[in-house]
Amino acid sequence: DAGVTQSPTHLIKTRGQQVTLRCSPISGHKSVSWYQQVLGQGPQFIFQYYEKEERGRGNFPDRFSARQFPNYSSELNVNALLLGDSALYLCASTDRAYNEQFFGPGTRLTVL
Amino acid sequence: DQQVKQNSPSLSVQEGRISILNCDYTNSMFDYFLWYKKYPAEGPTFLISISSIKDKNEDGRFTVFLNKSAKHLSLHIVPSQPGDSAVYFCAAGGSQGNLIFGKGTKLSVKP
Repeated sequence: DAGVTQSPTHLIKTRGQQVTLRCSPISGHKSVSWYQQVLGQGPQFIFQYYEKEERGRGNFPDRFSARQFPNYSSELNVNALLLGDSALYLCASTDRAYNEQFFGPGTRLTVL
Repeated sequence: DQQVKQNSPSLSVQEGRISILNCDYTNSMFDYFLWYKKYPAEGPTFLISISSIKDKNEDGRFTVFLNKSAKHLSLHIVPSQPGDSAVYFCAAGGSQGNLIFGKGTKLSVKP
């Protein structure tokens, strides 16, 4: 069975640009969460979606937005990129809103 | 203010011995706790979890202990193997269904 998949693997953008990251959950999982991990820190929660509705939002600016599609895949959008947005962006899925989460390999975003 | 703390950035253990990774938390409302293992350039891999109503959960070489009065949990790996060398993250389940992670402990298991 395929695990959580994310695309692209790596991405380089310049300040002020916009980026869209994509995630496909494990088959049968209806909840997707997004996390940001910077070097030396643990993953920080950005959003959780369950059954296409936003269930939770972390302490991130409005430049960050996300959505979940009818097939439960998800996109994370970041506008007006800053140097500090450079990080590993992780997507995780679970079959319930409150349960163990399974992570994808991440998208490494570099903002120059 | 960190709600989940892993105070040891690194730990070195001899192959075959026990590895003990520690984690402290501040919020008594957390419902469950998890341990993840992470290799460079990969996403975290789920290892084991424990509900806040239990004090021990075991899965093969991995055992997690929860001490609610001390707001402390630990992961025991017995016996440790070189392939266990990775960064280990402790996480707590929050009220929004999100996970709150510690900063991680880098475990090195020497042959």
